[in-house]
Amino acid sequence: SQQGEEDPQALSIQEGENATMNCSYKTSINNLQWYRQNSGRGLVHLILIRSNEREKHSGRLRVTLDTSKKSSSLLITASRAADTASYFCATEHADSWGKLQFGAGTQVVVTP
Amino acid sequence: DAMVIQNPRYQVTQFGKPVTLSCSQTLNHNVMYWYQQKSSQAPKLLFHYYDKDFNNEADTPDNFQSRRPNTSFCFLDIRSPGLGDAAMYLCATTGVGNEQFFGPGTRLTVL
Repeated sequence: SQQGEEDPQALSIQEGENATMNCSYKTSINNLQWYRQNSGRGLVHLILIRSNEREKHSGRLRVTLDTSKKSSSLLITASRAADTASYFCATEHADSWGKLQFGAGTQVVVTP
Repeated sequence: DAMVIQNPRYQVTQFGKPVTLSCSQTLNHNVMYWYQQKSSQAPKLLFHYYDKDFNNEADTPDNFQSRRPNTSFCFLDIRSPGLGDAAMYLCATTGVGNEQFFGPGTRLTVL
């Protein structure tokens, strides 16, 4: 399976702390994307990082990609209660243009 | 403004009774996707369209069909829903950078 694996499965932190979650995959990718999903809602795109990029930032989000280790991390800095959600990584593989394989997700709970 | 709209948000059907879920997108993009997401699981791609070209995933059951009458609209038909088909169904389209934009989903309950 090309599906990404994420860890941890769940993360509980307090407001103001940083949250880090990791994603690993098995085969070559075109890009890796991170999505957020609030309970019972659709997915919201956060960041896309291409295979030739190593790091991207968007506001309080920082994504790294290490293609040699086939892994990525998402860091949320200075977390807020509103960051409580499930976070999914998704990979577009080199032989599957436009199709994403999602990881199982990390459930993040931020308590005030 | 919503880019991907799904109706209804909640759908209840009876075991074996056909149901249709709808999706529309305002981005005028040529690719649309349907995903199934069961509770606490990753979204699973059922099929996608590139223009009118229909691409079925190998493990998508025959019970699931789709129609795309024009660029903006796409339908998911479940011919004979079983209890195992209860899930969130997500529609998506693609942005200029290959990121995907998702609708809010339709939660299907099968009684």
